[in-house]
Amino acid sequence: GENVGLHLPTLSVQEGDNSIINCAYSNSASDYFIWYKQESGKGPQFIIDIRSNMDKRQGQRVTVLLNKTVKHLSLQIAATQPGDSAVYFCAEENTGGFKTIFGAGTRLFVKA
Amino acid sequence: NAGVTQTPKFQVLKTGQSMTLQCAQDMNHNSMYWYRQDPGMGLRLIYYSASEGTTDKGEVPNGYNVSRLNKREFSLRLESAAPSQTSVYFCASSEFTGSSYNEQFFGPGTRLTVL
Repeated sequence: GENVGLHLPTLSVQEGDNSIINCAYSNSASDYFIWYKQESGKGPQFIIDIRSNMDKRQGQRVTVLLNKTVKHLSLQIAATQPGDSAVYFCAEENTGGFKTIFGAGTRLFVKA
Repeated sequence: NAGVTQTPKFQVLKTGQSMTLQCAQDMNHNSMYWYRQDPGMGLRLIYYSASEGTTDKGEVPNGYNVSRLNKREFSLRLESAAPSQTSVYFCASSEFTGSSYNEQFFGPGTRLTVL
């Protein structure tokens, strides 16, 4: 079936460096690709989404890139801070749909 | 404004016991969801309710039932718990717009262990 997966299960970065978290997807029909952040002991929290007709979208300190040619999604975090330490999930959804499909997650460690 | 609340936070059941997980949201959202999260895995959708009065199966509905009690509340019931249902359960809600991604707001989760 269709699935969303991740290249790296863990990522360790130095505080202040930029982080890049990658994700591969297989459903070309998805309309939206999304990133969620989950801190320890908490529920996931929406970070940013990108529509399938876009290549790049920027938020506050975060940028999402979508490469439909190779079915690849990435999340870039600028000037990574200790508070960014969490598990990051990529996900996909169709417009008007309710079935968001989540990937397995990447754990980000930020070293002080 | 509490967002999405879930009760209980923790629960231990014996195989065959039943229980209901409660979820409520105060954001006046139309849609609500139940997910489970197993170690090292992403969230998997159990059931969702697109709007008050409707419920639909998600990816892993077997062994569960749901009730959309009103616009605020969406409960998940395990009729006969099995060890395979040991997991962390998350409830979420969103405002359905039909024209953009429906950002989901998640509760803090219920950690369920079935012995």
